[in-house]
Amino acid sequence: EVQLVESGGGLVQPGGSLRLSCAASGFTFSSYAMNWVRQGPGKGLEWVSIISGNGGSTSYADSVKGRFTISRDNSKNTLYLQMNSLRAEDTAVYYCAKRHISGYYFFDYWGQGTLVTVSS
Amino acid sequence: EIVLTQSPGTLSLSPGERATLSCRASQSVSSSYLAWYQQKPGQAPRLLIYGASSRATGIPDRFSGSGSGTDFTLTISRLEPEDFAVYYCQQYGSSPRLTFGGGTKVEIK
Repeated sequence: EVQLVESGGGLVQPGGSLRLSCAASGFTFSSYAMNWVRQGPGKGLEWVSIISGNGGSTSYADSVKGRFTISRDNSKNTLYLQMNSLRAEDTAVYYCAKRHISGYYFFDYWGQGTLVTVSS
Repeated sequence: EIVLTQSPGTLSLSPGERATLSCRASQSVSSSYLAWYQQKPGQAPRLLIYGASSRATGIPDRFSGSGSGTDFTLTISRLEPEDFAVYYCQQYGSSPRLTFGGGTKVEIK
């Protein structure tokens, strides 16, 4: 059974940093591109970032480029999101999501999410 | 960036009724690379439809997707109590720059 479990969320001051983790199990982690998707309070879904299976290729939404860094450790089956220079508008539930087995960029499994609150 | 506009924002229907949700793209979505998700309060989204019309594993056949180019539709033939939720469309034709629609809430009338 595929499982994705996020952790690392919490309350952080504007300008601060936070690192999110997503522990994966139930599939060959290194074979799949992984994503972060966020959802602000009462808002819709926003794609944040993607990393290829071997970690060699990444892409970011314009809203986080230069501030967030996605990475992965395939030996630990874990995905990360390093978030720096956080702003109030980064407040959201952050989900990790697995790319579909077809290889196309939609998501067949999601974690339960971790809440990041940026506030003084 | 492809912008997806979903309508209506809220759909008020009774169990057993048919629901028709629209997703319109600002430019053509290549190869009908469009997916639909369902999200219930406090839960992660669940994949319903991909490739505009293919049902994901385990999704009941009352859910169907159609459309191409810039206009896509999610239809729920007969609403069950568990179908009242928010639905999002997502395009992946311009991957990896992925975008979601703003969502349609299907609520009990």
